[in-house]
Amino acid sequence: KAGVTQTPRYLIKTRGQQVTLSCSPISGHRSVSWYQQTPGQGLQFLFEYFSETQRNKGNFPGRFSGRQFSNSRSEMNVSTLELGDSALYLCASSTDRYGYTFGSGTRLTVV
Amino acid sequence: AQSVTQLDSHVSVSEGTPVLLRCNYSSSYSPSLFWYVQHPNKGLQLLLKYTSAATLVKGINGFEAEFKKSETSFHLTKPSAHMSDAAEYFCVVSDLPSGNTPLVFGKGTRLSVIA
Repeated sequence: KAGVTQTPRYLIKTRGQQVTLSCSPISGHRSVSWYQQTPGQGLQFLFEYFSETQRNKGNFPGRFSGRQFSNSRSEMNVSTLELGDSALYLCASSTDRYGYTFGSGTRLTVV
Repeated sequence: AQSVTQLDSHVSVSEGTPVLLRCNYSSSYSPSLFWYVQHPNKGLQLLLKYTSAATLVKGINGFEAEFKKSETSFHLTKPSAHMSDAAEYFCVVSDLPSGNTPLVFGKGTRLSVIA
């Protein structure tokens, strides 16, 4: 059974640019969540999608957005990148609340 | 609102000795509690989860944790540390009844294992 797949694994962008990250959940999982991990703030919740609807949103500016497609694949977009957006972005999928499977993450570096 | 406090930012043990990683939580409802491990440059791997069943939870790689409601604790233990256990460990809480709350992570405990 394939795990959660995140692409790309590494990304370098320039301040002011925008970026799109992709997450393919485990087959059959309808919930996809996104988290940002930084050394200073730790792991912080960005948003969660369930059946193409945003079910929950964390405390991040509007530059961070996401969506989910009918096949449960999800994308997150960050516009007008800032240096502070450099982080490991993790995606997790789940069928319910009792265990989330995480991908390996996308490491974004903003220069 | 839920919150998690991992009491030690760094724990160092000798190979073959017991491991204890401490976690206290705060939750308005009966929580779901998890321990995840993250090896360098890797994603998060679920070690074990508590979801209101047995209070002593056994996980992978010999780890276990005990849910103590009176102490609001969910400490992670392992009888004998192995070099491969060196990693970052996260205690995580999610409110159970609401069903729509995200995972709340502790700050993490870095486990070092000395040969």
